[in-house]
Amino acid sequence: QSALTQPASVSGSPGQSITISCTGTSSDVGSYNLVSWYQQHPGKAPKLMIYEGSKRPSGVSNRFSGSKSGNTASLTISGLQAEDEADYYCCSYAGRVFGGGTKLTVL
Amino acid sequence: QLQLQESGPGLVKPSETLSLTCTVSGGSISRSSYYWGWIRQPPGKGLEWIGSIYYSGSTYYNPSLKSRVTISVDTSKNQFSLKLSSVTAADTAVYYCAREIAVDAFDIWGQGTMVTVSS
Repeated sequence: QSALTQPASVSGSPGQSITISCTGTSSDVGSYNLVSWYQQHPGKAPKLMIYEGSKRPSGVSNRFSGSKSGNTASLTISGLQAEDEADYYCCSYAGRVFGGGTKLTVL
Repeated sequence: QLQLQESGPGLVKPSETLSLTCTVSGGSISRSSYYWGWIRQPPGKGLEWIGSIYYSGSTYYNPSLKSRVTISVDTSKNQFSLKLSSVTAADTAVYYCAREIAVDAFDIWGQGTMVTVSS
């Protein structure tokens, strides 16, 4: 399986909303609404933010939401906060393939 | 509160076998319908799933690593283990163990252990 494609970086100001895309193919993202999203701060283990496309684990802020359109899944963070600055990774149900990661900078 | 902890050598010689163990505390590895997985991250790079195991022993491996990977479970010790054979410098990474609550959904992670492949 091929890695999923994410933008290398995105940025936004506090209070704004940003969206991180994760593009796959009709064989992975397009076939299942089962993408997961992870947040990783430097030197820390990843944290599950979204699974099965749009479900939030207990304790994850409702500012984080997941969606899908065609072969592209998206993670939206609303009301951006300084602590949201981190790397974000998507992962596809098909083969548990991770995207290359997106560095989110809060300006 | 469920916790996972990786353990094993931090330095492995090229061509040898990397062996890591993940100890699960705060809950039984066999009392839940979850998979248990290994994920790695080379320095400065992204995440790569290595493989996952069910408490019964059923396994799923990353096709790109399958020929070199063995994941096993020891329910009596509440542990699961990773063996990666014929390692090279490209296998240098932080190795994480994690609980998998749904396919590709790893919700509880160990702190990670750095493994360097070098002579």
